[in-house]
Amino acid sequence: EIVLTQSPGTLSLSPGERATLSCRASQSVNSNYLAWYQQKPGQAPRLLISGASSRATGIPDRFSGSGSGTDFTLTISRLEPEDFAVYYCQQYGSSPRTFGQGTKVEIK
Amino acid sequence: EVQLVESGGGLVQPGGSLRLSCAASGFTFSSYWMSWVRQAPGKGLEWVANIKQDGSEKYYVDSVKGRFTISRDNAKNSLYLQMNSLRAEDTAVYYCASYYPGIPFDPWGQGTLVTVSS
Repeated sequence: EIVLTQSPGTLSLSPGERATLSCRASQSVNSNYLAWYQQKPGQAPRLLISGASSRATGIPDRFSGSGSGTDFTLTISRLEPEDFAVYYCQQYGSSPRTFGQGTKVEIK
Repeated sequence: EVQLVESGGGLVQPGGSLRLSCAASGFTFSSYWMSWVRQAPGKGLEWVANIKQDGSEKYYVDSVKGRFTISRDNAKNSLYLQMNSLRAEDTAVYYCASYYPGIPFDPWGQGTLVTVSS
């Protein structure tokens, strides 16, 4: 199975700053089928990005995804108060669909 | 509106059983693969099981093989997870999610909490 490693574990930033989250796969992700989810306390994960770089419906354009093969990045250009949450990457190009361990973006 | 609603969680003793349900609406349930994903308290997301549209293929994470059974009833737009021989490490919020090959999990249900404790 593909192992996804996210870094850093925690990102401490202020509103308005730029956040850069990394997701590295143990082997190439088929068709760049890499998704990013946002999860807030007590809520289900919400899909942000699919196919490594396509924003899901209703997701603000301050969220962007990039990368291919084994290295992927989620960038939040200017953090809004509602963006402080945990972010997970997931590959869905191979079975089983695996998740990274998550990156927490917290208020500095 | 696409909606998934889980139910059936609760407190159960080690070795006990529980059956989770997921009611789907707002989309053609029978056209989608379905999955269960769990999240232990304070931990990350873990895929548990999935089932093909017609129920002919089922897959499980190694830690639940032989103990959990995923099933579906397309006539009732419902997904199930029968959990037997429960262990403390099965304590988690269990989410159901729909997908199609090449499409990520979206949407997700709100989750149902399973607590295995004496």
